Amino acid sequence: NAGVTQTPKFQVLKTGQSMTLQCAQDMNHEYMSWYRQDPGMGLRLIHYSVGAGITDQGEVPNGYNVSRSTTEDFPLRLLSAAPSQTSVYFCASSRLTRDTQYFGPGTRLTVL
Amino acid sequence: DAKTTQPPSMDCAEGRAANLPCNHSTISGNEYVYWYRQIHSQGPQYIIHGLKNNETNEMASLIITEDRKSSTLILPHATLRDTAVYYCIVRVALTWRAAGNKLTFGGGTRVLVKP
Repeated sequence: NAGVTQTPKFQVLKTGQSMTLQCAQDMNHEYMSWYRQDPGMGLRLIHYSVGAGITDQGEVPNGYNVSRSTTEDFPLRLLSAAPSQTSVYFCASSRLTRDTQYFGPGTRLTVL
Repeated sequence: DAKTTQPPSMDCAEGRAANLPCNHSTISGNEYVYWYRQIHSQGPQYIIHGLKNNETNEMASLIITEDRKSSTLILPHATLRDTAVYYCIVRVALTWRAAGNKLTFGGGTRVLVKP
């Protein structure tokens, strides 16, 4: 198993640009989520999904969209990038009935 | 989910046991204690979790006080590779579909293992 994969590893955007961060898992996990981590701080939940077709907002959802058309993929879309969205983004997945979450390696995003 | 309090940092000698404390005085009866760690620049990694009994796995031991208001994560023989930020998280073990599996991360304890 590849586990949780994220692409790209690094990305630089200009203010106002849009882009999609990709997340995929091959463990058939129902639950997937996106976190952001700002320097020196803990992770904050952006959006999550409990299965294909079902998504919900986390702690800091503004400026981000998600969709879950398949069990494997959970992309995060930045609609109009802002410097405040400069952060490291982590995707995670787990089974609903087993709580261990598996995290991807992260995407480092800089918005100029 | 109950709030947790951890010391911001601690040092540990290589080969010695590292004891990481966590206070969770407002924990409810159905809330579990989870520990994750984050090695520099990597995604968080699950370590262990428990409800009221002490737990042990290949990575660590978790000791929960009888009143469940605090716990200690023990790394029995710390190595340089254990240098990381350790997060103590308290939450309900959700198993129903709509609720999800959200984790709330605090500041954690930055552990530096020294040679």
